Amino acid sequence: DTGVSQDPRHKITKRGQNVTFRCDPISEHNRLYWYRQTLGQGPEFLTYFQNEAQLEKSRLLSDRFSAERPKGSFSTLEIQRTEQGDSAMYLCASSRGLREQYFGPGTRLTVT
Amino acid sequence: AQRVTQPEKLLSVFKGAPVELKCNYSYSGSPELFWYVQYSRQRLQLLLRHISRESIKGFTADLNKGETSFHLKKPFAQEEDSAMYYCALTMDTGRRALTFGSGTRLQVQP
Repeated sequence: DTGVSQDPRHKITKRGQNVTFRCDPISEHNRLYWYRQTLGQGPEFLTYFQNEAQLEKSRLLSDRFSAERPKGSFSTLEIQRTEQGDSAMYLCASSRGLREQYFGPGTRLTVT
Repeated sequence: AQRVTQPEKLLSVFKGAPVELKCNYSYSGSPELFWYVQYSRQRLQLLLRHISRESIKGFTADLNKGETSFHLKKPFAQEEDSAMYYCALTMDTGRRALTFGSGTRLQVQP
């Protein structure tokens, strides 16, 4: 097991386009978290899943954002009609229950 | 709402000097506190958590509920300690989403 993986690692898109990111957690980790990190700041919580159920969404997650974890394994985060303010590093983390969260390498989004 | 404050964006010390990275939090309940570290070109990883009371890579952190602080300390800094350090908390519920501070960059000079 190589840990949490995220794809793509970098994404450049034009304002108004839709983008989708994927996160593959560590196998057997039932919890999956999404965070966003902007320059000079720590990661900020967006949403999390326990198995396939999305249990909480942050106020940061506007209507343009949607996340899924259809089979309780990988997860996708989609941003519709991207804005320049969406430019950030999007981090995924997974955990087994309430134990330590393991982070992925992140997807860096640049909206031009 | 919970909040984590790391007052220093950059801390520069010489090799062998003591290090203290400050972290203060605000939360009305009983949080669990963590220190995460991110070395250059690596992913964020857990350094230590207050409930384990471990010393990892020579670092220790004591939770002071009276001062609502969780400062990270190391008596003798090493060059390989140079990294970005984030303090984080999670609430005493099943939620477990982390609230991070803005981070402190530690530079250890030779």
